[in-house]
Amino acid sequence: DVKVTQSSRYLVKRTGEKVFLECVQDMDHENMFWYRQDPGLGLRLIYFSYDVKMKEKGDIPEGYSVSREKKERFSLILESASTNQTSMYLCASSLGESGNTIYFGEGSWLTVV
Amino acid sequence: KNEVEQSPQNLTAQEGEFITINCSYSVGISALHWLQQHPGGGIVSLFMLSSGKKKHGRLIATINIQEKHSSLHITASHPRDSAVYICAVPYSGGGADGLTFGKGTHLIIQP
Repeated sequence: DVKVTQSSRYLVKRTGEKVFLECVQDMDHENMFWYRQDPGLGLRLIYFSYDVKMKEKGDIPEGYSVSREKKERFSLILESASTNQTSMYLCASSLGESGNTIYFGEGSWLTVV
Repeated sequence: KNEVEQSPQNLTAQEGEFITINCSYSVGISALHWLQQHPGGGIVSLFMLSSGKKKHGRLIATINIQEKHSSLHITASHPRDSAVYICAVPYSGGGADGLTFGKGTHLIIQP
């Protein structure tokens, strides 16, 4: 069974803290994505990666960075968490071109206080 | 960037009713995705289609490439179909640059 695993389901962090959200996929997918989901705004792309050490900005990259040192792992980093980054974060992966099925993790609920 | 519009935003229906959710997009695409999200967050892919129609159980998805429009139908709806249904298309039409999503349709099926 294919799997995208997000390391933390629920996190509470303080303003200014550095936050790491980890995502691992076991399907040997080239593409990995980080989205955030907010009520009324839907899913928005933060960053994506189509290969190891490659990254591209999505719609809302400000305040975030990413790391992809290994094909199976894609990390989202909040350098200095702020309250407006309270959200649900979803990791996803897919093969090659966008005409392939996309698989999502269960989501990470982040609250910044 | 592709723009996606979904309708309706909210839909409440009685068990057994035929359900239709619509999706339109602005840029020609390689494939369109229909996704389902249950409370708790997890999203699963229901369909990926680039032309015509696909059917899986009581779910049917259709797409009209010329009109840039897709529909998701649920026949004989059941309370367990209650979820958010999301349409998604490639960010710029094709290529490995991720998806852009509609805001979702919140469906409630009442017994």
